[in-house]
Amino acid sequence: GNSVTQMEGPVTLSEEAFLTINCTYTATGYPSLFWYVQYPGEGLQLLLKATKADDKGSNKGFEATYRKETTSFHLEKGSVQVSDSAVYFCALSRPTGANSKLTFGKGITLSVRP
Amino acid sequence: ETGVTQSPTHLIKTRGQQVTLRCSSQSGHNTVSWYQQALGQGPQFIFQYYREEENGRGNFPPRFSGLQFPNYSSELNVNALELDDSALYLCASSAGQGYTGELFFGEGSRLTVL
Repeated sequence: GNSVTQMEGPVTLSEEAFLTINCTYTATGYPSLFWYVQYPGEGLQLLLKATKADDKGSNKGFEATYRKETTSFHLEKGSVQVSDSAVYFCALSRPTGANSKLTFGKGITLSVRP
Repeated sequence: ETGVTQSPTHLIKTRGQQVTLRCSSQSGHNTVSWYQQALGQGPQFIFQYYREEENGRGNFPPRFSGLQFPNYSSELNVNALELDDSALYLCASSAGQGYTGELFFGEGSRLTVL
């Protein structure tokens, strides 16, 4: 079946540090890949997505590239801010009929200190 | 544009009881999905409703059931509650046709089973 594996956390960084959060997946065919973020006290929200191999998703300074050869979708940001402190989830979807479900990784908590 | 709203936000039940959780989808969305997020885990797909019909179900027992109403709002019902049902229950809505993969999540209903 489909699965998503994220690196173990939590991660603590100083402001302006470089961020990489690893994500690998197992799926048949060509899934769409996503990063969702959950800020404290808020619901999950889409951060970025990529729907085919070699696509790069980007938003708010975050980037992730869909790598089919390594089945990965690592999240990166060149300079993190305190406001980036949140829980980050990698996810994939495979369409089932008119709609699709998301398979999530366990999530990783990022804390950025001033 | 009104986002996804869930009620109640928190509730406490005892083992064996029944619970109903409610969700109002985002304006214009005809699809609602429910996810269970246990502490420290990623969300797990429970089921999805599209135009009032169940459109996919995850690995959850039949005591988890749902409904979608003509206005696309939805209910999640859980019978014979068990301690392991303690979790954050997330509702997400999306537009059915031409699905782009983005789900819009509510803030969740936190259920504690004692």
